[in-house]
Amino acid sequence: DTEVTQTPKHLVMGMTNKKSLKCEQHMGHRAMYWYKQKAKKPPELMFVYSYEKLSINESVPSRFSPECPNSSLLNLHLHALQPEDSALYLCASSHPGLDRVSLAGGANSYEQYFGPGTRLTVT
Amino acid sequence: GEDVEQSLFLSVREGDSSVINCTYTDSSSTYLYWYKQEPGAGLQLLTYIFSNMDMKQDQRLTVLLNKKDKHLSLRIADTQTGDSAIYFCAESIGPRAGKSTFGDGTTLTVKP
Repeated sequence: DTEVTQTPKHLVMGMTNKKSLKCEQHMGHRAMYWYKQKAKKPPELMFVYSYEKLSINESVPSRFSPECPNSSLLNLHLHALQPEDSALYLCASSHPGLDRVSLAGGANSYEQYFGPGTRLTVT
Repeated sequence: GEDVEQSLFLSVREGDSSVINCTYTDSSSTYLYWYKQEPGAGLQLLTYIFSNMDMKQDQRLTVLLNKKDKHLSLRIADTQTGDSAIYFCAESIGPRAGKSTFGDGTTLTVKP
């Protein structure tokens, strides 16, 4: 199974709403990522979790709150968003690198596998 | 810091070969990737190459890496209309989970 799934596919929310984006993978990856992508632009990294701990926060506003409840799931909680936050939100996963997993003989490629994304519109 | 550059557009005829080019600035880049993104979809990893390799071939795809010039290319043989998409080059430094720097993407249009 080399699939990363994301729900919902589309989300329309008002600026006062609270919603959550969900991401799931069953590849045994211990690194998971949230990206934001505007039309015709490359993905911009938001957060990285490694072994269920937040390892990178790219100075993302606090109205975005990530959560990694276990090694297969990644959530992004949204609150009081702005219209400019409308974008495609992509989740990805990968092996985390030269850590316990890799030294134990795990895969030695660190490419990221992306989900199909959630198209978010903030009205 | 890291910078990855690609030309924005490429148009080819069906059956021809396509070559998408990418340059990067960080000489410590150790992993280089090519992703494909079709309209409305997420990114699909096509192939990757380690910096200790010069070439990698996978069916219709050939990746060439010139470390001296920090130049990466993706050649698609016998290009089909289904290959029309945006192609992103990306690099990362070392294997640790963290940042990959993406280029702005090359929009490939395949004409019948």
